[in-house]
Amino acid sequence: DSGVTQTPKHLITATGQRVTLRCSPRSGDLSVYWYQQSLDQGLQFLIQYYNGEERAKGNILERFSAQQFPDLHSELNLSSLELGDSALYFCASSVEPLQGTMNTEAFFGQGTRLTVV
Amino acid sequence: AQKVTQAQTEISVVEKEDVTLDCVYETRDTTYYLFWYKQPPSGELVFLIRRNSFDEQNEISGRYSWNFQKSTSSFNFTITASQVVDSAVYFCALSGGDSNYQLIWGAGTKLIIKP
Repeated sequence: DSGVTQTPKHLITATGQRVTLRCSPRSGDLSVYWYQQSLDQGLQFLIQYYNGEERAKGNILERFSAQQFPDLHSELNLSSLELGDSALYFCASSVEPLQGTMNTEAFFGQGTRLTVV
Repeated sequence: AQKVTQAQTEISVVEKEDVTLDCVYETRDTTYYLFWYKQPPSGELVFLIRRNSFDEQNEISGRYSWNFQKSTSSFNFTITASQVVDSAVYFCALSGGDSNYQLIWGAGTKLIIKP
């Protein structure tokens, strides 16, 4: 058990809908990361938060947004869903990394499998 | 640009055989970090090892060992006396000095251990 909790584990929704994925980081970790894993694109970094503030953005679509709350849990919001958004979405957490780099291991949750029909 | 190549898409061996998973990386950074993660059939990503670019010592952890060679830009992973429970997809990942906090992932190698 990594200590990172993601809910729900599975989500099936229709095109055009909006969903929210939730993540609770490991105790003491201030950094939260979101990754998307799909068959065609592999693992892709979406976004990182540190202690409530957005710190880095990757290949995140404008239809997607995220935030980290004062209690350090994070939510990833996916809207206007398309079939291509079907994927496994991972949340990870870590201790604070060095400026600009990922010099520490991230611990991943079990993921949320999103299916858009 | 940074890149990680795992050329072996799938490897199948019989239990108790040794198996090596290859990872070749590209980066212009002098300081960088390499990782291996395991993704078993249940789907979670499990951290295995982190290595920084200044530490070329090989690492051994039980049946697992890692060979880091900067001269060939490789960070290979060997499982000795494989077991069925080792069946999983294994990912190699890279983070450079200017990676903006993200991990750059290889495509993964699916390892099948047959009883």
